[in-house]
Amino acid sequence: NAGVTQTPKFRVLKTGQSMTLLCAQDMNHEYMYWYRQDPGMGLRLIHYSVGEGTTAKGEVPDGYNVSRLKKQNFLLGLESAAPSQTSVYFCASTPGTGNDEQYFGPGTRLTVT
Amino acid sequence: AQSVAQPEDQVNVAEGNPLTVKCTYSVSGNPYLFWYVQYPNRGLQFLLKYITGDNLVKGSYGFEAEFNKSQTSFHLKKPSALVSDSALYFCAVREPLRWAGNNRKLIWGLGTSLAVNP
Repeated sequence: NAGVTQTPKFRVLKTGQSMTLLCAQDMNHEYMYWYRQDPGMGLRLIHYSVGEGTTAKGEVPDGYNVSRLKKQNFLLGLESAAPSQTSVYFCASTPGTGNDEQYFGPGTRLTVT
Repeated sequence: AQSVAQPEDQVNVAEGNPLTVKCTYSVSGNPYLFWYVQYPNRGLQFLLKYITGDNLVKGSYGFEAEFNKSQTSFHLKKPSALVSDSALYFCAVREPLRWAGNNRKLIWGLGTSLAVNP
């Protein structure tokens, strides 16, 4: 199993450009999450999904949209990138069957200039 | 409101010495508690969790954590630190499902940077 994978690993955007980050998991997990990690601020939840076709807002959802059309994929979109969205983005998944831990992808480092 | 505190931004220990990384929490009901480790330029890796039972939980890489309900703490420990343990450590907490419903979100601490010196 590849676990949780993220595409791309690095990206540089200009302000106003759009992009989509892809998260894929091959563990048949129900729950998926998008976080951003910034120095001194820990992990902040952007959006999450409790199953195929569902999405919900986390603590910092503004400027981002998500979709979960297939159970194994969770897409994070930036419609009009801003320098404040420069961050490292992590995707995670969890089975959703009990007291389960989250499994993380390797991250995407995004710079918005 | 749920919260997690890691009171130390950085912990420095000498190789071979015991290490402790502190975590305190505030949640409704009995908490589910987790420790994760992040090595440089990597994603987070699960170390251990406490759900119920024995207050001393053993995890990966020789780490263990002690749940103390009266002090609302879940400190991470290792008897003998290695240079390779140098990393960022995160504590996280989740409410039991009967309180949180379908919400399995974790509440994260800000992380503690552990430096083990040779």
